[in-house]
Amino acid sequence: DAKTTQPPSMDCAEGRAANLPCNHSTISGNEYVYWYRQIHSQGPQYIIHGLKNNETNEMASLIITEDRKSSTLILPHATLRDTAVYYCIVRVYTGNQFYFGTGTSLTVIP
Amino acid sequence: GAGVSQSPSNKVTEKGKDVELRCDPISGHTALYWYRQSLGQGLEFLIYFQGNSAPDKSGLPSDRFSAERTGGSVSTLTIQRTQQEDSAVYLCASSLSGLAGESSYEQYFGPGTRLTVT
Repeated sequence: DAKTTQPPSMDCAEGRAANLPCNHSTISGNEYVYWYRQIHSQGPQYIIHGLKNNETNEMASLIITEDRKSSTLILPHATLRDTAVYYCIVRVYTGNQFYFGTGTSLTVIP
Repeated sequence: GAGVSQSPSNKVTEKGKDVELRCDPISGHTALYWYRQSLGQGLEFLIYFQGNSAPDKSGLPSDRFSAERTGGSVSTLTIQRTQQEDSAVYLCASSLSGLAGESSYEQYFGPGTRLTVT
């Protein structure tokens, strides 16, 4: 039960912002939204997480809608190295399991 | 510092044989997770260890799968009587804590073990 819905694939021009959407319409009040990415043949890499406020770190920004039913991961200036599968995950604050789903395959085009 | 390591990186085995996969988590991380990823698929949760507590085995697909974590550090995932459908990449992750009330749940993943059952 992935609890999230993401488009299967997206393209983005190098240097432009990549905006990756995620729907989590059944999210509960105590569930966090996490984003990971997986570059080919590597283990997943943590990007960012949030509960209800927008978050920003050195890698990306996370925008969560006011009703928390969807979110957008923003890579401000996509590079070729950002080509990867991006997973949006919701996780109960006290839960143990991450359900990764099938993610969005982002291709950054030169 | 050293990340999560897994061994072997690749394992080819014959159907019916047992295999053991090893995971060395990041030092000091109390939570350890096993996942598997079939070709072109997302990650499937298998099992979770937190400190000395009983593991959460709810993701194990059958009783042929088992895992242990000795001394709260190294973990071994064992698959008995392997089947072709067990072929996948097995990923291990660790995190600083998985306890209730903690927010530092970022998981750090190892490179995985690619298992091929022939």
